[in-house]
Amino acid sequence: DIQMTQSPSSLSASVGDRVTITCQASQDISNYLSWYQQKPGKAPKLLIYDASTLETGVPSRFSGSGSGTDFTFTITSLQPEDIATYYCQQYDNLPPYTFGQGTKLEIK
Amino acid sequence: QVHLVESGGGVVQPGRSLSLSCAASGFIFSSYGIHWVRQAPGKGLQWVAYMWYDGSNKYYTDSVKGRFTISRDNSKNMFYLQMNSLRAEDTAVYYCARDSLPGTAASGLLDVWGQGTTVTVSS
Repeated sequence: DIQMTQSPSSLSASVGDRVTITCQASQDISNYLSWYQQKPGKAPKLLIYDASTLETGVPSRFSGSGSGTDFTFTITSLQPEDIATYYCQQYDNLPPYTFGQGTKLEIK
Repeated sequence: QVHLVESGGGVVQPGRSLSLSCAASGFIFSSYGIHWVRQAPGKGLQWVAYMWYDGSNKYYTDSVKGRFTISRDNSKNMFYLQMNSLRAEDTAVYYCARDSLPGTAASGLLDVWGQGTTVTVSS
């Protein structure tokens, strides 16, 4: 199975800051990488797919990049409503589809 | 509007069974594969199972193989997860989620999620 290593596990930042989360796959997954946002008590929400494509309706301050094994998720200007846990997920080929461990983002 | 609504969660003793349901609306259910994903208390997301849009193929994570069974009823827009021989480590919120590409084997991309139903395995 493909393992996803996400870092950091938690992050504290100020409103307006640029925030970056990384995700590394244990093998080449091309660009089959998505990012989800999960707010407390809520279901995950798809933000980015195919490593860098923004889901419809998602603010442009969110972005993703990378291919192969190394990926990055960025929030260019952190807003209070961005407080959540973020997960990467690989969907290369057949199941199992694995998630990263998550990054809990808090306001400083 | 596209909706998935899970039901059937509850408290169950170890070794017993429980069946979860996922009701879909707002899209052509028979064209989409459906996943189950779970989240143990305070933990991350774990993909559990997937069934093709036409029910012809099923996939499971190793820890539930032989114990969990997924099924669907396209005439009722319903998807199910039968969980047998439950263990404490199966305690989690269970989400159903739609695979993003219709009429295909699987993309693995989960574009619509239900709100989740909680399963607690405890004596």
